[in-house]
Amino acid sequence: DGGITQSPKYLFRKEGQNVTLSCEQNLNHDAMYWYRQDPGQGLRLIYYSQIVNDFQKGDIAEGYSVSREKKESFPLTVTSAQKNPTAFYLCASNRGGQAGVTQYFGPGTRLTVL
Amino acid sequence: AQTVTQSQPEMSVQEAETVTLSCTYDTSESDYYLFWYKQPPSRQMILVIRQEAYKQQNATENRFSVNFQKAAKSFSLKISDSQLGDAAMYFCAYRSAVRDDKIIFGKGTRLHILP
Repeated sequence: DGGITQSPKYLFRKEGQNVTLSCEQNLNHDAMYWYRQDPGQGLRLIYYSQIVNDFQKGDIAEGYSVSREKKESFPLTVTSAQKNPTAFYLCASNRGGQAGVTQYFGPGTRLTVL
Repeated sequence: AQTVTQSQPEMSVQEAETVTLSCTYDTSESDYYLFWYKQPPSRQMILVIRQEAYKQQNATENRFSVNFQKAAKSFSLKISDSQLGDAAMYFCAYRSAVRDDKIIFGKGTRLHILP
């Protein structure tokens, strides 16, 4: 089955530690996205990538980093510089171009900083 | 910059009844896409329906339909014969057809289904 997987589902981290959230897709999509969702809030874009080895900052990139070395993978690192990292993180992808604008989402990762 | 506004943070509807969720957006572009996504308690985001701005006909998907008013920049979602499984957060979203980049989401409407 084609889809987007995110792991782990729940993640706990101590303050001051970096942590990496995984996002993998086997849909052959060119574009991938990371969103953050806080209670009562909509989705806020962290980073996105439209092609391998290229990515752009979204609206709230500070304290986060990404890489896009493979088409299938777009890991997100939450660094110790992120002041309030506890949130729900969603990864999404779409085919790219005007023929593939609809974004499809992974199941999400809940990050809690202890 | 484009914005998407959902003015109803929460709504309730009786099971089997019809409910309409409101969404307005602001853009200077003439070609774009609009979406409704559903996020149930599992928190998985699911595409409900999509509308291309150049199409005058309103999109429908089974019990879900939209009322797309381009001049008014309004994009409401109608759910007919509401079911308990429809209980979720619903997000309205906008994407430019000119610029190949990001989707802009509204803050969501939480829909409760009353048995």
